Amino acid sequence: ILNVEQSPQSLHVQEGDSTNFTCSFPSSNFYALHWYRWETAKSPEALFVMTLNGDEKKKGRISATLNTKEGYSYLYIKGSQPEDSATYLCAFNTGNQFYFGTGTSLTVIP
Amino acid sequence: DADVTQTPRNRITKTGKRIMLECSQTKGHDRMYWYRQDPGLGLRLIYYSFDVKDINKGEISDGYSVSRQAQAKFSLSLESAIPNQTALYFCATSETTGGTQPQHFGDGTRLSIL
Repeated sequence: ILNVEQSPQSLHVQEGDSTNFTCSFPSSNFYALHWYRWETAKSPEALFVMTLNGDEKKKGRISATLNTKEGYSYLYIKGSQPEDSATYLCAFNTGNQFYFGTGTSLTVIP
Repeated sequence: DADVTQTPRNRITKTGKRIMLECSQTKGHDRMYWYRQDPGLGLRLIYYSFDVKDINKGEISDGYSVSRQAQAKFSLSLESAIPNQTALYFCATSETTGGTQPQHFGDGTRLSIL
């Protein structure tokens, strides 16, 4: 069993604030790192798939970076909006199996 | 229509009953996965299948079995349900290249075992 940790567990920010959270994973057996956005009563939806050390991905106001040597990824949200409220999951892939973190729950206060 | 469909969406049953959760997909993906989600825990992999003849145990397979009836269908069975199998269950699919492609999730099945 591989340990994937996400911090913080939950976060409340004001509308317009920028924020970031962390996913830590083993630096060995790395194949890919995924980020998903999970809204209440819905299913997780993919944000990014990252495979190379130093990768940076961006989608609108959300971006992510990857450091495979030290085993972490950051997810950034610039200018948070209420519709960004969700749980953000990261998943470490070994080529076969996925290991998910417990997620960071983000609440954006209008 | 959803690309990944899970049935039923909700199920309440009693200890000792046999239960089957079904997953079907129209995405044409080879890889299919079953996860369970418990409060305070991340999604945990139960079983995964890379094609019809390939079934693999995940992190928490004890008490579960699966059947890959066709490329599009992957069923999860609880032979004799117990209360600690109460959870939210998700089916997911991905393309053959697997780890470098995103997973696509169904809407989940909420299972309660009394």
